[in-house]
Amino acid sequence: DAGVTQSPTHLIKTRGQQVTLRCSPKSGHDTVSWYQQALGQGPQFIFQYYEEEERQRGNFPDRFSGHQFPNYSSELNVNALLLGDSALYLCASSGGAADTQYFGPGTRLTVL
Amino acid sequence: QKEVEQDPGPLSVPEGAIVSLNCTYSNSAFQYFMWYRQYSRKGPELLMYTYSSGNKEDGRFTAQVDKSSKYISLFIRDSQPSDSATYLCAMAHNDKFYFGSGTKLNVKP
Repeated sequence: DAGVTQSPTHLIKTRGQQVTLRCSPKSGHDTVSWYQQALGQGPQFIFQYYEEEERQRGNFPDRFSGHQFPNYSSELNVNALLLGDSALYLCASSGGAADTQYFGPGTRLTVL
Repeated sequence: QKEVEQDPGPLSVPEGAIVSLNCTYSNSAFQYFMWYRQYSRKGPELLMYTYSSGNKEDGRFTAQVDKSSKYISLFIRDSQPSDSATYLCAMAHNDKFYFGSGTKLNVKP
């Protein structure tokens, strides 16, 4: 049973560019949440998707957007990248909104 | 005030020691309490999950929740060098999860 998978593993972008990160949830899970984790910090909630709709959102600007597909996989898009967007981006899936979340390995984004 | 407070450490102990990791929180509405372990440059791995006050044991790990004091703990018995990692507490309410900043643990052989 595959766990949560994310791609790519690493990404280097320059300021102003746009990036798309991808996540496939654990088998049987229908809810996907995205987090940003800066070095030495805990994960910060970006948003959560369920039934292809954004259900919850944290305190992140509109530059951060997402999508969920019918197969429950999800994308995180970040526009107009800033240096401060450099972080580990984590995807977590669960079988329900309040169910335990299982994390993927993350995508490390570096903005130069 | 942050929703969840966690001492960042680092905490250094000898192999075989009992480790105590703690978090405090301010929102009494939190319903679910979790501990995650995160190795360097990896995603967090779920260790323990509970939703009630009291103790929950799983092998060498014991999670303790005291809702009246808004305090949770994770105890690791017979700690091993492989336990060296960052430990994150997390709490959930209204379908949203809130994480502590993590405590870095180093278990010396």
